[in-house]
Formats: sequence, structure tokens, C-alpha cells
Amino acid sequence: DGGITQSPKYLFRKEGQNVTLSCEQNLNHDAMYWYRQDPGQGLRLIYYSQIVNDFQKGDIAEGYSVSREKKESFPLTVTSAQKNPTAFYLCASSGADTQYFGPGTRLTVL
Amino acid sequence: GQSLEQPSEVTAVEGAIVQINCTYQTSGFYGLSWYQQHDGGAPTFLSYNALDGLEETGRFSSFLSRSDSYGYLLLQELQMKDSASYFCAVRGYNQGGKLIFGQGTELSVKP
Repeated sequence: DGGITQSPKYLFRKEGQNVTLSCEQNLNHDAMYWYRQDPGQGLRLIYYSQIVNDFQKGDIAEGYSVSREKKESFPLTVTSAQKNPTAFYLCASSGADTQYFGPGTRLTVL
Repeated sequence: GQSLEQPSEVTAVEGAIVQINCTYQTSGFYGLSWYQQHDGGAPTFLSYNALDGLEETGRFSSFLSRSDSYGYLLLQELQMKDSASYFCAVRGYNQGGKLIFGQGTELSVKP
């Protein structure tokens, strides 16, 4: 089955710790994206990558980092510099104008 | 810059028809998309309008008028399972492929 997987589904971390969220796609898409969603809010773009070994900051990149070493993978690291990291994180990929989303990771900082 | 505006909430009854509007300010874009998101889930693609006019996909239709900077999603024969948030989105020219999303409209379908 083609699609996007994110792991883990739920993640808990202590303040001051870095954590990496996984995103893998087998849709052969060049472009991949990371969004953050807070309760009752829309999607805010964190980082995106249009091609392997290249990525750009989105609207709220501070406190986050990414890498794109393989076409299939676009991991997101939430660093201790992110002041309010508790949120729902969504990864997506696209071939043209349609984005396909993974199931999301719900991160809670304790 | 680019921005999209949607109503924050809409309520309708089962079997009815509801229209969710999306007005936008953008210098130019490739097309208008609509996504559905159930509570706790991921957004899923519903519809895309590259050209002005109506696109129909089963009970859902989407409309775009570039001259009016306006689009809408029309849901017919509403079902309880249609209760969800609906987002409009555009991919602007010179935006590097990223989509700009509206804030979303929460649709509540009542029995």
C-alpha cells in the first residue's frame, strides 16, 4: 500500500529534551512537508523540502530542525529551544497540487 | 502576502445542503484545494479547482471564481459522518510548492 507513515502516534517528553519525529513515504514524491496543528487551529508550516538534500523554513521554523538525506524520509527534530512544543505534528508529501498526509504524531511535553 | 478566510463554524442538519465559503487574497495561484479533517485525524484531500467553475465528486462539489477571489465547498445530503473541519488551500506562484491553508471551518451535522 502506498502512503505516509509517522511514528510514534503519541510521544511524551520532558522539558529540555530533544525529540525526533519520523516520517516515511513510499509515494515517490519529491516534496515533503511538516506542519504543526494546535487545538482548534489550522495548519502551520514548519519546514518543507522539494528535493533530497534541500529544505526550506516555513512560517514557524524556530526551535525545529529537519534533514532530507533520502527521498522517502523527512524526520523532524523538536529541540529544547522550542518554547511550546506540545501539539499535533503532521507530515505530508505531494506530487503536484495535492498533499497526502500521514496519521500525525501527538507530542506532549511533561 | 497571501491569506484565505473561512467561517470558523457552520451547523446544519442531516440531509441538508451546506456551503462553506473561502475568500482569498493572493497575487496568483495554481488552484484551490479542499481538505477534510475529522477530530484527531489527518487531513484528507477532497477536491481541487484549477479552473473557474464547478467540480463535482459525489455528494461534494467545489467552485472557484478567480475574478471574485472566491471559492466554496458544497456538501449535499449531509450525513453525521460529515461532521469535521474543512480547509481550503492554495499553492501560490513562486511559493516553492507549499500550500497556504485557511484556518478551517468546523462543520457540525445535527440529527
